Amino acid sequence: DAGVIQSPRHEVTEMGQEVTLRCKPISGHNSLFWYRQTMMRGLELLIYFNNNVPIDDSGMPEDRFSAKMPNASFSTLKIQPSEPRDSAVYFCASSLATDTQYFGPGTRLTVL
Amino acid sequence: AQSVTQLGSHVSVSEGALVLLRCNYSSSVPPYLFWYVQYPNQGLQLLLKYTSAATLVKGINGFEAEFKKSETSFHLTKPSAHMSDAAEYFCAVSDRTGADGLTFGKGTHLIIQP
Repeated sequence: DAGVIQSPRHEVTEMGQEVTLRCKPISGHNSLFWYRQTMMRGLELLIYFNNNVPIDDSGMPEDRFSAKMPNASFSTLKIQPSEPRDSAVYFCASSLATDTQYFGPGTRLTVL
Repeated sequence: AQSVTQLGSHVSVSEGALVLLRCNYSSSVPPYLFWYVQYPNQGLQLLLKYTSAATLVKGINGFEAEFKKSETSFHLTKPSAHMSDAAEYFCAVSDRTGADGLTFGKGTHLIIQP
């Protein structure tokens, strides 16, 4: 299996621009998670989906952030408009039912 | 609410020495506990997990951890450190394995001295 796939691996953008991060979970997994990693706050859960339905988005920092999962094999995390404080590594993870969460390689976002 | 505390943001040991990384948790329900490792510029890889079965859990790369309910701890150990163990280690807690999001500790950077 290819594992969790995230794109792009690196993104550099200017403040105010829209950013879209993409994730392809492991085939057959039915839960998908988005995390953010920063030096100051460490690893934080942003949102997670079960069977394509958002279950808990209490970690989404503000309305500028939105996430979708239109089907079982694709999810996006969008930031609009982006701000310098959004600079972080964003990880996607997937799992099957109550099994282990497998993490993707992450997207390193830099907002100038 | 759940929380995880990892004591020591940096731990340095000599190659061949015992590795001990500390993790204490807080949970209102019986927890599921995890240790993940992160190598530079990579994602997180599961080392081991505790899911209410045996309290001593063995993982990959020679690591193991013991769940101690009375101490609310889940410390990670390895008898003999290798240079390749140098990485960032994260302890995490969930109230249901895999089904809910993980709450992570701040991480411990393990340094191996030659």
